[in-house]
Amino acid sequence: DADVTQTPRNRITKTGKRIMLECSQTKGHDRMYWYRQDPGLGLRLIYYSFDVKDINKGEISDGYSVSRQAQAKFSLSLESAIPNQTALYFCATSRSDRAYEQYFGPGTRLTVT
Amino acid sequence: GESVGLHLPTLSVQEGDNSIINCAYSNSASDYFIWYKQESGKGPQFIIDIRSNMDKRQGQRVTVLLNKTVKHLSLQIAATQPGDSAVYFCAENIPPPGAGSYQLTFGKGTKLSVIP
Repeated sequence: DADVTQTPRNRITKTGKRIMLECSQTKGHDRMYWYRQDPGLGLRLIYYSFDVKDINKGEISDGYSVSRQAQAKFSLSLESAIPNQTALYFCATSRSDRAYEQYFGPGTRLTVT
Repeated sequence: GESVGLHLPTLSVQEGDNSIINCAYSNSASDYFIWYKQESGKGPQFIIDIRSNMDKRQGQRVTVLLNKTVKHLSLQIAATQPGDSAVYFCAENIPPPGAGSYQLTFGKGTKLSVIP
């Protein structure tokens, strides 16, 4: 079974809708991350969490919110989706002492029409 | 612009040849440099890291070289195989002052295609 899972894998939604992307991990890692990937732009950090009570904004947090429901679960919400949020979204986890070695989920492809 | 970039967006190599993927960085405060591999339809996968006080590190069929004088990082893949076909990202880790947090800054990626 995959160590980092994301649901849904694909989602098409309309402008203005609220959508939640979910991430679960079985690696026992404290740290979790949400990234966005756009063609030609690489990966950009949206939010990251050191533990359940410690959540931090990344490079591009505007328009997004997150919730760390448990050590193993980290969800990303788009309160009112807009077309330029169409992208591939990745969740990742890491140990605290090797935060640069991150383990990524399979991604969620989100299309906002 | 991004502090981590790549010299070539695409690279094609013959199976069995060695591959070299290059990356330039601009932040002297970075303490770790990392290479990730992303196969089609999958999330990025950690390959190897190198600490800023090192200039070379070897893994299984891969070698990372760090030249701090010219702020250049490279990934060498020996005897390239079809399974090496992927997009390769370099990333740098810049520790904030006075904190134990780490954030990675990723480059845009190089697509490696292996010709059978």
